This record gives sequence, C-alpha cells and structure tokens, in this order.
Amino acid sequence: DVKVTQSSRYLVKRTGEKVFLECVQDMDHENMFWYRQDPGLGLRLIYFSYDVKMKEKGDIPEGYSVSREKKERFSLILESASTNQTSMYLCASSPTRQGTEQYFGPGTRLTVT
Amino acid sequence: QKEVEQDPGPLSVPEGAIVSLNCTYSNSAFQYFMWYRQYSRKGPELLMYTYSSGNKEDGRFTAQVDKSSKYISLFIRDSQPSDSATYLCAMSRAGTALIFGKGTTLSVSS
Repeated sequence: DVKVTQSSRYLVKRTGEKVFLECVQDMDHENMFWYRQDPGLGLRLIYFSYDVKMKEKGDIPEGYSVSREKKERFSLILESASTNQTSMYLCASSPTRQGTEQYFGPGTRLTVT
Repeated sequence: QKEVEQDPGPLSVPEGAIVSLNCTYSNSAFQYFMWYRQYSRKGPELLMYTYSSGNKEDGRFTAQVDKSSKYISLFIRDSQPSDSATYLCAMSRAGTALIFGKGTTLSVSS
C-alpha cells in the first residue's frame, strides 16, 4: 500500500523561527513535491525534486528551501517563518517526472503567530 | 485566461443523483489528465488518470476528456454521502509539473 507520511499534522511556530517540515515515502519514487494549499488559491507548487540532491523551483519558492539527502525523504524549510506562510502544506511523490499519479501525504497545518 | 478553470461550487445533490464535475483548460499541449478527491483535513487521493482523449470508467466513476473543446469531466453515478468531498482536476504536458484546478466542493445528502 502506497504511503507518504509527514512529520506533523499540526504545527504552531513564531514569526522568525526556522521551520522544518519532513516528508517520507516508501514507494521508491524518484520524484517528490511540496505544495501549499490555501482557500481560494488551490494547490500551489513550492519546490520539487527529481532525484537525490536535485531540486527545482516551483511557482512560489520565495521564503522556502528544500533538502533531499535520501531518496525517500524530502524536507521543506522555512528559513524565517512569517505569518503569510500560515497554510496547509502537502507533500507528494510520483513515479513519473511530470508528477502524474501523485500520492499525497496527510498534510501539515502550519500556523505562524 | 487561467490555464485550468474549475467551478468551486459548492454543489449539493441528493443521494443517488448523477454528478457532473468539470474543468476547462487553455493549453492544447496538455496530455495527462487526472481527478483527485480530497476529504476535509486530508491530503488529495488520486481517483482517475487519463492519457490524451477518451473515456475511462472505474466503478461509479467515469472520466471524460474532450481535447477539441479543452474540457474534462468526472461523472459520479448513484452518488453516496461518502462522495462528499472536494474534487480537484489536474493536468500536465510531457516534462512539466501538474497544474491543479482549485477544486469543486460536493455535498451529497442522504
């Protein structure tokens, strides 16, 4: 059974803190993605990775960075959290480079105060 | 014009109704078309995946792609309260990341 897990379901952080969101998949997929989801704006791609140590910017990379040291793990980093980064963060993995058949984790609801 | 447009709803139907969910798109190069279902406070789950044109059926769900009209649809037959969720369309062309619609919220009442 396909499995993508995210380190936290709910997280509350203060403005200026460095925040790490972890994602792990057990499907041996090469391709992993980070999105944020906001009401009225839908899913927006932050970063994606085609392979270990590879990363590509998505549509809204500003204020974020990523790390992919191992194939199964893809981390999203908020360098200095701000209130406008309060959102639902979703990680996904896919067997294809363009991300068809993406499998999503349960999401992390991040609140920055 | 946005690349992918999807009516946000909400759409409310009685149990047993046939539901039609739709997306339009502007990029004729799109080849891969998907529908995702997302329950409240959960991640999206892949429901249907179609390559290029045509129909695909899976149980009560049918996905249709009309590339000439740049229009895709998801039909749900004999809708159930458990179908109440947000449905997201998504599409891409070779070598590019998926583009998602904003989702349609469906409510099926018993």
